[in-house]
Amino acid sequence: KAGVTQTPRYLIKTRGQQVTLSCSPISGHRSVSWYQQTPGQGLQFLFEYFSETQRNKGNFPGRFSGRQFSNSRSEMNVSTLELGDSALYLCASSLAGRGDTQYFGPGTRLTVL
Amino acid sequence: GQQLNQSPQSMFIQEGEDVSMNCTSSSIFNTWLWYKQDPGEGPVLLIALYKAGELTSNGRLTAQFGITRKDSFLNISASIPSDVGIYFCAGPITNSNSGYALNFGKGTSLLVTP
Repeated sequence: KAGVTQTPRYLIKTRGQQVTLSCSPISGHRSVSWYQQTPGQGLQFLFEYFSETQRNKGNFPGRFSGRQFSNSRSEMNVSTLELGDSALYLCASSLAGRGDTQYFGPGTRLTVL
Repeated sequence: GQQLNQSPQSMFIQEGEDVSMNCTSSSIFNTWLWYKQDPGEGPVLLIALYKAGELTSNGRLTAQFGITRKDSFLNISASIPSDVGIYFCAGPITNSNSGYALNFGKGTSLLVTP
């Protein structure tokens, strides 16, 4: 079974731009979560989607948003990029969330210049 | 919030040595998870603990769920070079939503020399 895939793997953007990252979960998994990983703050939860609905949200500004499609694929968007948004963005999928094992993708490395 | 304090921050050991790391919290957790992250990859689940006092092994790895439910330990025996990576503890974030999210420690970076 294929693992979680994330595209693109690397991105370079400039301040003020917006960016969209994509995540394809493991086949059959309906829950997709997004995390931001930085050296200073570590891994921080952004949001979780299940059946096309945002079910949980972390403490991030409204510039961070996401969505999930009917095939469980998910995208996250960051608008008006700031230097501090430079990070590794990780996507994790699970069968239904709620204690199911989360399987992480390799991440998208975003650099904001 | 439910902050997880993980220590040590980094370890530099020789192949064959045993390793021990721990994670503490000011809040009670009902589940403790241990992940490993290799360079350029996402975290991979190593061990999951669901009951206070539980001791679980996965090969050379052993983890324990502290009886106070505020701490957990991970031990690696007879370390090998491929044990190199960052080890994270994690626990579910509790809130009123029906969703699920994980709270992670800052990680323990392990380096193993041959």
